[in-house]
Amino acid sequence: RKEVEQDPGPFNVPEGATVAFNCTYSNSASQSFFWYRQDCRKEPKLLMSVYSSGNEDGRFTAQLNRASQYISLLIRDSKLSDSATYLCVVIVTGGGNKLTFGTGTQLKVEL
Amino acid sequence: EAGVAQSPRYKIIEKRQSVAFWCNPISGHATLYWYQQILGQGPKLLIQFQNNGVVDDSQLPKDRFSAERLKGVDSTLKIQPAKLEDSAVYLCASSLVGSGTQYFGPGTRLTVL
Repeated sequence: RKEVEQDPGPFNVPEGATVAFNCTYSNSASQSFFWYRQDCRKEPKLLMSVYSSGNEDGRFTAQLNRASQYISLLIRDSKLSDSATYLCVVIVTGGGNKLTFGTGTQLKVEL
Repeated sequence: EAGVAQSPRYKIIEKRQSVAFWCNPISGHATLYWYQQILGQGPKLLIQFQNNGVVDDSQLPKDRFSAERLKGVDSTLKIQPAKLEDSAVYLCASSLVGSGTQYFGPGTRLTVL
């Protein structure tokens, strides 16, 4: 089993739709979680951190479920500009942060 | 504020040749990472430095890959000899110590023929 798993997609959704991605992790010692966004042929950029209580940033909501070992990203009112690959990142802290990226989920928002 | 700089941006070599990549992190960022990203996959951590010390190099193929950060600032990643399967984008990232927020450079796209 991979340390961090994501559905690769692509998720093709119409503009204005709500879409959700999940990311599962295998190491129960994982302590920090993030979502990054990567546009085609560009470098990844931080989208948002994921806090235990869940957090929201505009149209984006991130949640953590420690019991089931997954994090989620919800995008409301999708825009064409949201088309990208969304990567989850899991960090196991202690002795230097051990950081693992998921394979990414591709989102295509269409007219 | 200047971002993470990498060079070259593109490199084409033949298998069994050597290649080196350079990274200059954001000023003040003690932690530096090198990743390999193969098309269609997420970035895979090759090596993590804190200042000039190695924190994690468990996924670095040490028979052919090497990396150094001698003065705790710039870093170089070398492949010698290159194989076809090394074709990928090599990303450098930096962060403050203990921060999970990483800032990535534009990457070096390596093609091995």
